[in-house]
Amino acid sequence: DAKTTQPNSMESNEEEPVHLPCNHSTISGTDYIHWYRQLPSQGPEYVIHGLTSNVNNRMASLAIAEDRKSSTLILHRATLRDAAVYYCILSYKLTFGKGITLSVRP
Amino acid sequence: GAGVSQTPSNKVTEKGKYVELRCDPISGHTALYWYRQSLGQGPEFLIYFQGTGAADDSGLPNDRFFAVRPEGSVSTLKIQRTERGDSAVYLCASSLRRDRVMFFGPGTRLTVL
Repeated sequence: DAKTTQPNSMESNEEEPVHLPCNHSTISGTDYIHWYRQLPSQGPEYVIHGLTSNVNNRMASLAIAEDRKSSTLILHRATLRDAAVYYCILSYKLTFGKGITLSVRP
Repeated sequence: GAGVSQTPSNKVTEKGKYVELRCDPISGHTALYWYRQSLGQGPEFLIYFQGTGAADDSGLPNDRFFAVRPEGSVSTLKIQRTERGDSAVYLCASSLRRDRVMFFGPGTRLTVL
């Protein structure tokens, strides 16, 4: 299975942009890149996904490297409610790793 | 419309007992997934259904675990002879079809004493 690697944790200040990286060097040509986030005691929640082009939605932006071996989730203005574990996963088997724990300082 | 629901929300059982965990997916979603999440870990894939059939059960840890989806909607995860190591949150998700956005339920917290 194609796997992803992410840093364990990141910190941000409220109202500042946050860039959450993900490496997926073994991605195949048909794998979509999905991002989910999980708040404490809840199931994961969809954030964004993309294949090749950068994507924007109301929650975030997804920047995908030209070779597709890495991607970055961008939260344009972090809020306290964005503090969560963020998972980057590929489509095949949709297997999650440990994710990035994002802390947001007020 | 309703999201994915899972029952029970909590289940406490004794070692060696049999348990069933239920998942009600979003209506019309043909793909259904079961995951297991231990404390501090990300969700671990167990099984994926496309319609009524288990399209990929490679994540089931052993033959004590079994899942069904007889009518292509509700799914039941069955665990026989439970062990303390089975304690985890069991998550269910559904999507319109594979590789589409997954919608997760709140999970069932299973505790095996």
